[in-house]
Amino acid sequence: QSALTQPASVSGSPGQSITISCTGTSSDVGANNYVSWYQQHPGKAPKLMIYDVSNRPSGVSNRFSGSKSGNTASLTISGLQAEDEADYYCNSYTSSSTWVFGGGTKLTVL
Amino acid sequence: EVQLVESGGGSVQPGGSLRLSCAASGFTFSNYWMHWVRQAPGKGLVWVSRINRDGSSTTYADSVKGRFTMSRDNAKNTLYLQMNSLRAEDTALYYCVRETITGTGLDYWGQGTLVTVSS
Repeated sequence: QSALTQPASVSGSPGQSITISCTGTSSDVGANNYVSWYQQHPGKAPKLMIYDVSNRPSGVSNRFSGSKSGNTASLTISGLQAEDEADYYCNSYTSSSTWVFGGGTKLTVL
Repeated sequence: EVQLVESGGGSVQPGGSLRLSCAASGFTFSNYWMHWVRQAPGKGLVWVSRINRDGSSTTYADSVKGRFTMSRDNAKNTLYLQMNSLRAEDTALYYCVRETITGTGLDYWGQGTLVTVSS
């Protein structure tokens, strides 16, 4: 049950787009389409942003989008805004019927 | 409004035990799979365990298997995590989390209860 691999940090200027990668294996990310993404602001509980690789829950901005290719999933945020500055975590269901998170990525809006 | 309120955290010595509770409201608790997720201070999210709707099936992360037991009481709308043989590395904020009805995301999170394992 190794954690999924995410970059420790990414940054972008307001209005730009950024992409956060999440690399797993054929036993997790590559095994199904049950990849989700979470946003966490300091001192707050995480918030579901993307599920089933690319679906947005009601109320989540369409500036957030997800995709997957092979063992790597990605979260793209377009039109960066100051309030997007947060930690982001990917998660995948695994072939062992467990769930695994990525190590997290700190997004800085310059 | 969906609410998940954890309790039972605190300080315990290595080798000790604690039982966490999570009171659920604002939804039909028995219709949802539930999870525990933890976060050590300043660190990332770590999945701990999951339980099915009627409590008959549970799965655990390798790091807690054999030491932690997850259960639920649907009549009381309450989720539990019995933690035994606690170690320093179990120190974390423990979140009670609801799984989406489709079973592919974690859509509601409590505010967490802090467990500190230290001598």
